[in-house]
Amino acid sequence: DTGVSQDPRHKITKRGQNVTFRCDPISEHNRLYWYRQTLGQGPEFLTYFQNEAQLEKSRLLSDRFSAERPKGSFSTLEIQRTEQGDSAMYLCASSGIAGGTGELFFGEGSRLTVL
Amino acid sequence: GENVEQHPSTLSVQEGDSAVIKCTYSDSASNYFPWYKQELGKRPQLIIDIRSNVGEKKDQRIAVTLNKTAKHFSLHITETQPEDSAVYFCAASIYQFYFGTGTSLTVIP
Repeated sequence: DTGVSQDPRHKITKRGQNVTFRCDPISEHNRLYWYRQTLGQGPEFLTYFQNEAQLEKSRLLSDRFSAERPKGSFSTLEIQRTEQGDSAMYLCASSGIAGGTGELFFGEGSRLTVL
Repeated sequence: GENVEQHPSTLSVQEGDSAVIKCTYSDSASNYFPWYKQELGKRPQLIIDIRSNVGEKKDQRIAVTLNKTAKHFSLHITETQPEDSAVYFCAASIYQFYFGTGTSLTVIP
């Protein structure tokens, strides 16, 4: 399968713990995006990368959130000191058009539940 | 940043009728406007898109129109079928994508 894959699919953690999600984009795609989605809402932009460079981070994103994309391949999203409000689906997407926009391909998402 | 508003939030239609979902955006620099369909528990998937140099695009029963002056775009689904029932999201993009809050469409057989 050459689609976007995310791991883990589900994560339950206690408040205050750190969690890390991994995203493997479609291999030839140079852009990678992270979104957060809560029930009944659209995907909320968190951050995106072009190759290994993080080009933009949402101003709404807490300092507890950090994302990396070493070597421009897979990406990780870490949430430190989780809070109950962090409970959501975290979606990763990739796109292959350099210098412009193209179709976003989404992964299945990583569902986080903070107790 | 970009702000995308989407209406209505819920929509019920009889099978065979048409459905229209409308979105507005705030950043005149946005140049790409995709529509995504998300079925329960599944990932969003692209159903149609339009770029800012085009006013209308059609793909079988689905069409999208764009009014750059007014900064709004719409999704039109004709001859709706029960399998069209899902949540639909519009988005506006320059490089990053900003999504609307979604429309839950129910097609009643």
